[in-house]
Amino acid sequence: DIVMTQSPDSLAMSLGERATINCKSSQSVLYSSNNKSFLAWYQQKPGQPPKLLIYWASTRESGVPDRFSGSGSGTDFTLTISSLQAEDVAVYYCQQYYDTPYTFGQGTKLEIK
Amino acid sequence: QVQLQESGPGLVKPSQTLSLTCTVSDGSISSGTYYWSWIRQPAGKGLEWIGHIYSSGSTNYNPSLKSRVTISLDTSENQFSLKLSSVTAADTAVYYCTRAPNFYGYQDYWGQGTLVTVSS
Repeated sequence: DIVMTQSPDSLAMSLGERATINCKSSQSVLYSSNNKSFLAWYQQKPGQPPKLLIYWASTRESGVPDRFSGSGSGTDFTLTISSLQAEDVAVYYCQQYYDTPYTFGQGTKLEIK
Repeated sequence: QVQLQESGPGLVKPSQTLSLTCTVSDGSISSGTYYWSWIRQPAGKGLEWIGHIYSSGSTNYNPSLKSRVTISLDTSENQFSLKLSSVTAADTAVYYCTRAPNFYGYQDYWGQGTLVTVSS
């Protein structure tokens, strides 16, 4: 299985600050034939299901605010929230879909300082 | 837009079979290029992909659960189902049904989830 490791486990930032969450895969999730990384990011608020934010490592899902952006390729990825809003408090997960079983990172809890 | 809703018993006894159904609204499970999936999440923990099924009926399961899992389709009811046999307390979790588009594995629609507790 591909192991996904996120850092940090938790993060406390002030409103308006830039928040960065990292995700590392145990092997490359870049598919050479189309040069796409099979990596997605989700946001989960308490009592809710996860919500897709980003796929193909950097493609924002429709309706997701543009303060959310994804970057990276191969084995190292980053989710950035450019200006933290109160409603961004959540747990964030990365997921690889390069190979089954699809696997998720352990989650990063984002709080307001 | 597509809506998914899980249903099934919230309490299952150890060694018995967990059975859940996902009803899909505003979208046919027998058309399109989608994987229909199950994912679970123990309380306070991370997400585990259980497996998925395509409209042809072909399935792909997580090897860690493969010997106990069956996912099936009921196109007449626009539903898909999960059966997990020989459950233990470790199977206690919120179970989500999801959709993955275009035969890729990112999940663009999720049900609200249903808590299944394994206890005698």
